[in-house]
This record gives sequence, structure tokens and C-alpha cells, in this order.
Amino acid sequence: GNSVTQMEGPVTLSEEAFLTINCTYTATGYPSLFWYVQYPGEGLQLLLKATKADDKGSNKGFEATYRKETTSFHLEKGSVQVSDSAVYFCALSAQGAQKLVFGQGTRLTINP
Amino acid sequence: DTGVSQNPRHKITKRGQNVTFRCDPISEHNRLYWYRQTLGQGPEFLTYFQNEAQLEKSRLLSDRFSAERPKGSFSTLEIQRTEQGDSAMYLCASSARAGTSGGAPLADTQYFGPGTRLTVL
Repeated sequence: GNSVTQMEGPVTLSEEAFLTINCTYTATGYPSLFWYVQYPGEGLQLLLKATKADDKGSNKGFEATYRKETTSFHLEKGSVQVSDSAVYFCALSAQGAQKLVFGQGTRLTINP
Repeated sequence: DTGVSQNPRHKITKRGQNVTFRCDPISEHNRLYWYRQTLGQGPEFLTYFQNEAQLEKSRLLSDRFSAERPKGSFSTLEIQRTEQGDSAMYLCASSARAGTSGGAPLADTQYFGPGTRLTVL
């Protein structure tokens, strides 16, 4: 079946550090890929998405590239801020389907 | 756009009681989803409506769970004879149909509500 595997957390970084959160997936066909973020006390928010191979999603300084050959969608940011502290979820929706399949989430803490 | 709202935000109940949650989607969205999230895990899909039709149900949705969307607007999720294992955050999301590209349906962007946290004692 379809699945998403995320880098285990928690991840703790200092402000202005480079961030990578790894995400790999298993799915047939061409799924759409998403990163959602959950800030403390808030609901899930879409951070970025990509719908076909080699697409790059970007938002708020975060980027992720849909890599079909490695079945990956790693999240990156060049310089993190304290306000980026949150839980990040990688997710997919299979081709032709609407439901989202989520990874287990990665808790990120940025220290000043 | 007031976003997806869910009520109540918190519910504490005793084992064996019935509970009902409500979700109000973004007004122009015709698709509505329910997910369940347990501590330290990602959300898991429960069920999905397009307008008032329930198009997909997960095997996670036992016969104690029922969801409705009677007029294609708000939705309710009822859990009968609650068990301690039902304790979780119940999330609702809504989306508008994204259309197609090259004949293939595009994935919707789902907008999530704040969730209802259920605790079964």
C-alpha cells in the first residue's frame, strides 16, 4: 500500500542553521506530495506541495523537490528561525485518490 | 473565508458513552474529510464526502463509528460505545475540487480544522 517515511525526530537546531527533514514514499503511479506544518496549539497548515516529478514546492523559505527516481520529497530551509519550531508532516495522495497518507511527523525545535 | 471549524474542541467522556463531533467546512468546499491523530503519530484517514455522498471509508472506521453530511455542508462524526482506544484528536479537513490536468484529476489542497480532542476515561 501507499506509505510515507519521515526522518525520526526530534530535531534541535540553532537559529540560522540549515535544515533538512528527509521524507521518502512508497506509492504506485504518480502521487502528489505535500508538507504540512503544525505550530503549537494550532491546526495543520499546508506548507508546500508538488504534483509531478521534478516539481519544486516552496513557501516561507522552505523548499522540497519531487524526486521520482529516489521516491523522495525532502524539506529544506537555508536559515531557520525560532518561529519555525513546529511539527512537520510529509504526506501523499495517490494518483486519482483524494485521501492523504501522512508520515509520523518530525518535531523541530529552533534555539535562539 | 473563516476556515474549517470543529466543535467541541475538547470532549471527555466515560467508556461506553456515545459522542458526536461537528465539522463546518470552508463554505465553498464540496469535499470533506475526517482523520484521526494519536499522540506522536501522523493523521490517519477515516472517511471522505463529496457533497452529501460518503465516497470512501477506512477499515479503521469500525461499525461503532458513523459519519454524515446530510446537506452537503457541515458533517458529524459519531462514536458509539466509546472505548479507551478511541482517545485521539479527530481532525476535519475540506477542499474544493482541483480539476484535472491531461485528463487526470489533480490532488486537492485540504484545509484542516483545529481538531476535537477526545479523552475516554
